[in-house]
Amino acid sequence: GESVGLHLPTLSVQEGDNSIINCAYSNSASDYFIWYKQESGKGPQFIIDIRSNMDKRQGQRVTVLLNKTVKHLSLQIAATQPGDSAVYFCAEAMGGFQKLVFGTGTRLLVSP
Amino acid sequence: DAGVIQSPRHEVTEMGQEVTLRCKPISGHDYLFWYRQTMMRGLELLIYFNNNVPIDDSGMPEDRFSAKMPNASFSTLKIQPSEPRDSAVYFCASSSVWAQETQYFGPGTRLLVL
Repeated sequence: GESVGLHLPTLSVQEGDNSIINCAYSNSASDYFIWYKQESGKGPQFIIDIRSNMDKRQGQRVTVLLNKTVKHLSLQIAATQPGDSAVYFCAEAMGGFQKLVFGTGTRLLVSP
Repeated sequence: DAGVIQSPRHEVTEMGQEVTLRCKPISGHDYLFWYRQTMMRGLELLIYFNNNVPIDDSGMPEDRFSAKMPNASFSTLKIQPSEPRDSAVYFCASSSVWAQETQYFGPGTRLLVL
């Protein structure tokens, strides 16, 4: 289950740092956004979601920010750990949760 | 629950052969999705089912691709005949009507068509 590989943007951080992963989405009519994490050899795993009527949502160690004006989504990971190393995808949907459109992904590398 | 189960995990075949990928969704889930992941196109939705009925197959690339869901616990994605450009990782995912926002993905089937 390796994700899109060679030309993925990569974010390298030290363990304990905060990470910010950005995503530009394409459809101004999208009303639902999700972040997925994909570890090497595995399928994507749901992290957190946000609806278009919100601009911020917090989970455990993660925060998603939505800026509809510029069609931008970000995922903030606090106190990044080596286990957070993976490819992170944003996805958008409109009029329901089923037809997700995924972004190209960002590789996060966390060094100890 | 064991999660979404896919088989085989790896498949190598020759161009022109028929390929069948299998998926067992999480028990009790109402939605089932088939995705394809490639380096060039990323992760794409091919088709999804609700209560075993295909709802949207607009992502299916060609008539060579077909998907079925004969019952709530089993789905297949078939490619006939296969071509080298079909080489990709194919994921199955499922979700519950009570938590539709969360799709649970299987481990994927890595397909290589020679």
